[in-house]
Amino acid sequence: DVKVTQSSRYLVKRTGEKVFLECVQDMDHENMFWYRQDPGLGLRLIYFSYDVKMKEKGDIPEGYSVSREKKERFSLILESASTNQTSMYLCASSLSTGQPYNEQFFGPGTRLTVL
Amino acid sequence: AQTVTQSQPEMSVQEAETVTLSCTYDTSENNYYLFWYKQPPSRQMILVIRQEAYKQQNATENRFSVNFQKAAKSFSLKISDSQLGDTAMYFCAFSPNFGNEKLTFGTGTRLTIIP
Repeated sequence: DVKVTQSSRYLVKRTGEKVFLECVQDMDHENMFWYRQDPGLGLRLIYFSYDVKMKEKGDIPEGYSVSREKKERFSLILESASTNQTSMYLCASSLSTGQPYNEQFFGPGTRLTVL
Repeated sequence: AQTVTQSQPEMSVQEAETVTLSCTYDTSENNYYLFWYKQPPSRQMILVIRQEAYKQQNATENRFSVNFQKAAKSFSLKISDSQLGDTAMYFCAFSPNFGNEKLTFGTGTRLTIIP
């Protein structure tokens, strides 16, 4: 079974702190994604990566950056956390582009609270 | 840009009954993929069913089936013989082309199955 893990289920940080959210997948997937989930807004894509050291902006990249130094790991970075970044963050991965279809597999999520 | 609309924020149904969740979308693409994802309480998001736009036949997966109306840009999910384990948030999602690219999600429908 594909396994996508996230470093923390719950995280509390203070305004202005630098925050790292880590995601690891164990199935050699090429694509990895970071989403933000808010009530009434659904899931919104922050960044995605289709290869090591490659990244693409999603729909709401402002205030975030990402890092993918190894294929299995995709990190989301909040350079200076703000209260409006309090949210549930979901990581996902899928096999590769150029194939007819590949399902996205999701991690359990990290609920981040910024005080 | 694509949009996905789920007009039912919450629904409830008695166990063993049938329920239909609605989803509409807007796109100028001719080929695309549509998905229903399920997010049980405090558990990971999983794929329920997918539909390829060029296939006229509606997808089915056991008790789950879709009613795909391409001209109307409608993609509803029917759950037959509903079970307590079907209680979850359900998200409709859209992906262009091969379906490997970023997903655009609706705002979700919270479904509760009543014993």
